[in-house]
Amino acid sequence: AQTVTQSQPEMSVQEAETVTLSCTYDTSENNYYLFWYKQPPSRQMILVIRQEAYKQQNATENRFSVNFQKAAKSFSLKISDSQLGDTAMYFCAFLFSGAGSYQLTFGKGTKLSVIP
Amino acid sequence: KAGVTQTPRYLIKTRGQQVTLSCSPISGHRSVSWYQQTPGQGLQFLFEYFSETQRNKGNFPGRFSGRQFSNSRSEMNVSTLELGDSALYLCASSLGLAQFFGPGTRLTVL
Repeated sequence: AQTVTQSQPEMSVQEAETVTLSCTYDTSENNYYLFWYKQPPSRQMILVIRQEAYKQQNATENRFSVNFQKAAKSFSLKISDSQLGDTAMYFCAFLFSGAGSYQLTFGKGTKLSVIP
Repeated sequence: KAGVTQTPRYLIKTRGQQVTLSCSPISGHRSVSWYQQTPGQGLQFLFEYFSETQRNKGNFPGRFSGRQFSNSRSEMNVSTLELGDSALYLCASSLGLAQFFGPGTRLTVL
């Protein structure tokens, strides 16, 4: 079974600054996908970024980028130029692509507050 | 394209009752997954349907069931409700591996 650990329950960052959210996972599989989801106070879960385990290059989506360390089983999210709208719960999620099912395993989440 | 829609958005039930939640996926998406979100347990996978077949089921009692229709719309049912079933129930649809979530149904069991 896969597990996902987010060791920072809460974090805060000043507007326009950069923040990094940590995520580690445990799996014996080799082919998998990793995701970061954002859940603002309105509760709609939004996909932020995805990373395929077979790709060495770190994924980037505008101000969001990841640092994927496969050997260390680490998948951190960096948010640059933080904005007030980035305030949300952030969930790291794992998906094993060989299971024939789209089951996501989530971490407990990190509550990020962006301070004006 | 319209996003994932879930109805109802809020629901209040009493112990012992049963409830049915509905999810309409993004047009063209054939996979629908359900998750339960609670403050204590976080996000837990309930089940996934693909082309009207249940492909996977999480570690939940048999009181939790679901189905998917030919138009990919999905319903989940919880029978004999317990206080611990109070949660936000999220539905997600996918075409590939990335899942897109609906706004959820907030179920309160009294």
